[in-house]
Amino acid sequence: DAGVTQSPTHLIKTRGQHVTLRCSPISGHKSVSWYQQVLGQGPQFIFQYYEKEERGRGNFPDRFSARQFPNYSSELNVNALLLGDSALYLCASTGQNNEQFFGPGTRLTVL
Amino acid sequence: GQNIDQPTEMTATEGAIVQINCTYQTSGFNGLFWYQQHAGEAPTFLSYNVLDGLEEKGRFSSFLSRSKGYSYLLLKELQMKDSASYLCAVREDRGANNLFFGTGTRLTVIP
Repeated sequence: DAGVTQSPTHLIKTRGQHVTLRCSPISGHKSVSWYQQVLGQGPQFIFQYYEKEERGRGNFPDRFSARQFPNYSSELNVNALLLGDSALYLCASTGQNNEQFFGPGTRLTVL
Repeated sequence: GQNIDQPTEMTATEGAIVQINCTYQTSGFNGLFWYQQHAGEAPTFLSYNVLDGLEEKGRFSSFLSRSKGYSYLLLKELQMKDSASYLCAVREDRGANNLFFGTGTRLTVIP
C-alpha cells in the first residue's frame, strides 16, 4: 500500500507569492492534518480535516488556508509568502488507532 | 496552553540502552506519541500510549505516567542507524486530532 504522498517535494518562491501544496492520504484514511516544521523545531499544527470539514486550526494567520476533496486528498494554500514561511510542510493521515502517519513533506524556501 | 519538554541532545554508545524523557503540561490529554525523524526526512511513527504503563515493540519501548505528565522512550541494543531526532507529541482531547510536539531530542550513537 502506498503511504502518504505529497507534492511537490521542493519549492522555491519569492516574498509575496502564493503557494499550493498537495497531499494524498493513505488509502482508507479520511482525516488529513497539516504541520509546519522549521529547522530545529518540532512540527507545529496548522489544520486538520475530516470528511471535507475543518476539525481544527492551529495558531496560524489567515494567509494559511486548506481544503479537503471528496477523495480525501487535501491542499494547503499560503498567500502573501513571508521569509518566515520557509519550512518543511508535512501532511499526516490518521489511522484506526489515531496514530498519524506523515508524508515525505514539501520543503518550501521563500527568497 | 501546552508545554512539552525533552532534552535537546543525547549521546550513547552502539549496543547500549538509552532513555529519552518527555514531560508535558497540556489542558487535555488523549494520548502520547513518539516519532523518529532522520535529518531531512519526515517523522516516522514509533509508539502510542494512552494508558499508564509500558508498551514494548522490538528494540523500542515507551512508558507513560499520566498522573506525573511523564513519558520515556527506551531504545535497546543501539545501532548507528538509530542516530536521529526523537519527537514526543501529545494529543489533547479536543475533538480535533492534532498533535502538539516537543522540539525533539537529537540522539547521536557513537561506535
